[in-house]
Amino acid sequence: TQLLEQSPQFLSIQEGENLTVYCNSSSVFSSLQWYRQEPGEGPVLLVTVVTGGEVKKLKRLTFQFGDARKDSSLHITAAQPGDTGLYLCAGTGTASKLTFGTGTRLQVTL
Amino acid sequence: DTAVSQTPKYLVTQMGNDKSIKCEQNLGHDTMYWYKQDSKKFLKIMFSYNNKELIINETVPNRFSPKSPDKAHLNLHINSLELGDSAVYFCASSWTSSGTGELFFGEGSRLTVL
Repeated sequence: TQLLEQSPQFLSIQEGENLTVYCNSSSVFSSLQWYRQEPGEGPVLLVTVVTGGEVKKLKRLTFQFGDARKDSSLHITAAQPGDTGLYLCAGTGTASKLTFGTGTRLQVTL
Repeated sequence: DTAVSQTPKYLVTQMGNDKSIKCEQNLGHDTMYWYKQDSKKFLKIMFSYNNKELIINETVPNRFSPKSPDKAHLNLHINSLELGDSAVYFCASSWTSSGTGELFFGEGSRLTVL
């Protein structure tokens, strides 16, 4: 079973602060996705990274795929209350199956 | 128009009952999924269908039976409900079954078993 551990599990910060969420595994993934889920809704895709070492930026969010394609990080600059949500990484591994990470709950307060 | 819609949104029932959740997608996708999200927010795949054919069947009790009458619909029937079945069930769809494509999720169906 391919497991994706995210850290931290919970993060409560103030508006304007920076933060990094980590997604780690001992398995290699052919690609990795990041989703954000808001209360009462389904997850929504933020980004997909496919190449080891790849960095993608989405406004204030920066995503990185590890060189060995076993880990990924999400960095948010100058967090805003609208960034509040559950962040989920998901990796594509064996049998073309997408496995979700354990999740990071982010709360950004004014 | 909602891309992936599932009904009902909330379901409260007694142990031992049988219930169904329906899902429809209007995106023209070939692949549909059922995921279970537990109280710790862990999202685990249960089933995946590609063009009405079952392609992923995780270790799920056989009380859970998916049915795909056509590629736009994937329903989930649960027999003899147990307390541990309480969770939010998400339907999702994607263009392909390769595992690399974007998943489009429904809003979830919150099942509470008393």
